Amino acid sequence: TQLLEQSPQFLSIQEGENLTVYCNSSSVFSSLQWYRQEPGEGPVLLVTVVTGGEVKKLKRLTFQFGDARKDSSLHITAAQPGDTGLYLCAEGLQSDTSYGKLTFGQGTILTVHP
Amino acid sequence: DTGVSQDPRHKITKRGQNVTFRCDPISEHNRLYWYRQTLGQGPEFLTYFQNEAQLEKSRLLSDRFSAERPKGSFSTLEIQRTEQGDSAMYLCASSPRSGGPNTGELFFGEGSRLTVL
Repeated sequence: TQLLEQSPQFLSIQEGENLTVYCNSSSVFSSLQWYRQEPGEGPVLLVTVVTGGEVKKLKRLTFQFGDARKDSSLHITAAQPGDTGLYLCAEGLQSDTSYGKLTFGQGTILTVHP
Repeated sequence: DTGVSQDPRHKITKRGQNVTFRCDPISEHNRLYWYRQTLGQGPEFLTYFQNEAQLEKSRLLSDRFSAERPKGSFSTLEIQRTEQGDSAMYLCASSPRSGGPNTGELFFGEGSRLTVL
């Protein structure tokens, strides 16, 4: 079973600061998804990356997939209190039979103070 | 609202009691998943259905747990003889058919939080 390690586990910053969170594995990812989860709610998909070296942007969020597909990062520019939440990375299989069966990391808890 | 809905949102029960959670997926999604999330951890896969067929069960799903999706639409997850270790958020998610856009991407419900006293 693939183990995903996320770092840091906790991150507390002031509004306007930049931050980066990481997701690493010892094995190659089939594909990687990033989710954001607010307290008491289910995770919400932010992005899926599949190709090594891929970079995707979603407003102030930039997602990178490592060339070797064993790591990924999420960079947030000018963080806002609304960015507060649990950020989860998850590996998804691309096979027709097992897609949707995800292995999640433990997450990074981000708190952005006004 | 056309998202995934779960009921109840919160359930407090005494050890030894049975509980049942319901999930209504997005209507055009043929796959439905159950995950469990404990405090400070990411979700863990429990089981999934394609239409009414249960295709895979995690070893986390002990014999006290049973999931059904009788008509390929809503699903139920029942826990019998609950234990304190069952306390967790139970998340349901659905996914569209393979091969189209969003393949493998999960749309989660808001979860059902179980507390076993």
